[in-house]
Formats: sequence, structure tokens, C-alpha cells
Amino acid sequence: AQRVTQPEKLLSVFKGAPVELKCNYSYSGSPELFWYVQYSRQRLQLLLRHISRESIKGFTADLNKGETSFHLKKPFAQEEDSAMYYCALRNTGFQKLVFGTGTRLLVSP
Amino acid sequence: NAGVTQTPKFQVLKTGQSMTLQCAQDMNHEYMSWYRQDPGMGLRLIHYSVGAGITDQGEVPNGYNVSRSTTEDFPLRLLSAAPSQTSVYFCASSYARSGPRNPDTQYFGPGTRLTVL
Repeated sequence: AQRVTQPEKLLSVFKGAPVELKCNYSYSGSPELFWYVQYSRQRLQLLLRHISRESIKGFTADLNKGETSFHLKKPFAQEEDSAMYYCALRNTGFQKLVFGTGTRLLVSP
Repeated sequence: NAGVTQTPKFQVLKTGQSMTLQCAQDMNHEYMSWYRQDPGMGLRLIHYSVGAGITDQGEVPNGYNVSRSTTEDFPLRLLSAAPSQTSVYFCASSYARSGPRNPDTQYFGPGTRLTVL
């Protein structure tokens, strides 16, 4: 069964501190992993995907198949990073997404 | 493009009432889906569709019906509302299969906040 685990409901850091939002998954096939973000009063939007190995708004995420993890990292958090972050996976080539329970990131000045 | 639109934005129902949440997209996406978002539960898939006339159940389909008569529209029907269906509902759309020519991004609507008393 496909499963995405985000162990932290809330992560609170100060501006300028490093951030790591954890995501672990269980999947028997070849998954594609994503991070979605929901800022206050905005709709859910794609932040980044593992396949493109990109950095968006200073965030990066590396897929570690050995540890079945896809942690989201940023070296220096900004107040505007405060949002709800969801890790998600899908079967390669298909669109059906399975989401984790989400982590709320709060960056204080 | 308007993207993915949802109506209404807010709705209050009494137990046992029925209603339809509307979702429309103008991006010619084959894939459309409905999620519910609950605190501590994340987003859970209710129903999805890979094209007009084709629908399938997601993780939490009980109490909900869908149909897909056109590519653009994917309404979600609550047959007899229950307090357990109090939630925020999101509709999303994308191309059915990701590939070199098809961006694999799912686009979400703004959500419908439903309260069942």
C-alpha cells in the first residue's frame, strides 16, 4: 500500500535558521515524490518534484530510496515560508496522488 | 484561463440535506479529482476521473457521488449530509498521464468549506 508519513504536525523556527521537513514513504513500485505548499488563504500549489531536482524559493528535496525519504530542506528560513507543507507520491506516469498529513511551518522573526 | 474554479466557497447544511459542490476547469485536463482536507488527516482522495464518462473511487468515497459528463466539469454530490462530512473540499485537475509534453502539475481549486450541523 502507498503511504506517506510526515511525523511533525508543527515545526517552529526562527528566521534565518535551517529548516528540514521530514517525509517518509512506503511504496512497492517506482514512485514520484512531490512537495505541495499551502500559504494562508491561498490554494494548494506545487513547490517541487524529485524528478526535476530543482531548487524553488531556496527549498530542495532529495529522494533517498534506501531510507525511503524525501525531506524538504532550506538553509535559511524566511517569514514568508510560513505555510502548510504536504509531501505526496504517485505511481510513475499516473496522476493519482497520495498525500501525507502535512506539516505546518511557522517562521518567527 | 480561470484555472480550477469551485463553488460555493462556503456552505452550511443540516444533517440529511443533499447538495452538489461544483468544480470546473478550462485547461482541457483529462484528470480531475476531489479531496477532503481535515486537521491531522491531510488531504484524502474521495473520487477521481481520468476522462469524461470515467470515474473511480478514492480512499474515502462513502457518502459521495460523482459524475463526469464533460471534460470541464466534475461535480461532487453529498447524498445525505452528516456531521462527519464537515471539511474543506478541494478539486484538482491535470493531464491524465505525465510525460515530456504534459506538465505533471496538479492544479487545485480554492476550496469549499462545508459545515454540517
